[in-house]
Amino acid sequence: AQKITQTQPGMFVQEKEAVTLDCTYDTSDQSYGLFWYKQPSSGEMIFLIYQGSYDEQNATEGRYSLNFQKARKSANLVISASQLGDSAMYFCAMREGYQGAQKLVFGQGTRLTINP
Amino acid sequence: DADVTQTPRNRITKTGKRIMLECSQTKGHDRMYWYRQDPGLGLRLIYYSFDVKDINKGEISDGYSVSRQAQAKFSLSLESAIPNQTALYFCATSEPQAGTPAREKLFFGSGTQLSVL
Repeated sequence: AQKITQTQPGMFVQEKEAVTLDCTYDTSDQSYGLFWYKQPSSGEMIFLIYQGSYDEQNATEGRYSLNFQKARKSANLVISASQLGDSAMYFCAMREGYQGAQKLVFGQGTRLTINP
Repeated sequence: DADVTQTPRNRITKTGKRIMLECSQTKGHDRMYWYRQDPGLGLRLIYYSFDVKDINKGEISDGYSVSRQAQAKFSLSLESAIPNQTALYFCATSEPQAGTPAREKLFFGSGTQLSVL
C-alpha cells in the first residue's frame, strides 16, 4: 500500500499567488514525522519543512507552512506569495517512529510551475 | 565546497558491467544513505549505515552492494548493471537531533545520473 500519496502530478500557478500541494499518508504508528523537500531543475534535494505527529501547531518556515490534519492523515504544503524560483518538484516524505535511522518514504512528487 | 559530494555526476555504462558510485561528506555525520529516484516513483531507500560497522538493507537492495570505507565515505556498487537500474542516485547523511530525534534532516548530495544501456 502506498504510504505517501501526492495526487497532483503537476500544478501551474501565477506568480504571487498562494499554492497548496497535497499530501496524504498512511501509517498505523502514533509517532511519525512528515517532511517536504524541494528538487529544482538542478537536481539537488532541499529540505523545506518538518511536522511531528505530536506537534500541536502547524509548522512554518518563512513562506512555507504545513497544513497538518491528523485525523484526515494529510500534510499539505502551503507556499505563500509564490515566486518564479519556486518552480520545482516537491516531495512529501514520512518517517515512521522516532528512533533509529532516518528511513524516509517519499511520495511521487508534484511538479510546480510558477508563471510570470 | 559541497558538504555531501557524489562522483561521478553522470555515468553511462553497458549491461553486465560493474560500476561504483562514490559519496563523501564533510558534515561529520555517522549516518549515511543511498536512495534512487525514478520518475513517478519518488525516492526509494537502497542501503543505509549507522556507522562504519553497521550497514543495513533498505527497501530495494537487490542488485546493489555498499561499502562504508570510513565515517566520511559510503560507496554504492552495481555488480552487474542492468537497464532497469537506470536512475538518479542520491547519497544523503543525517545526524540525530538531541531532544527532537524525529526532526533529523537528510542532507543530500547533488545526485549521480546513471544510464545502463
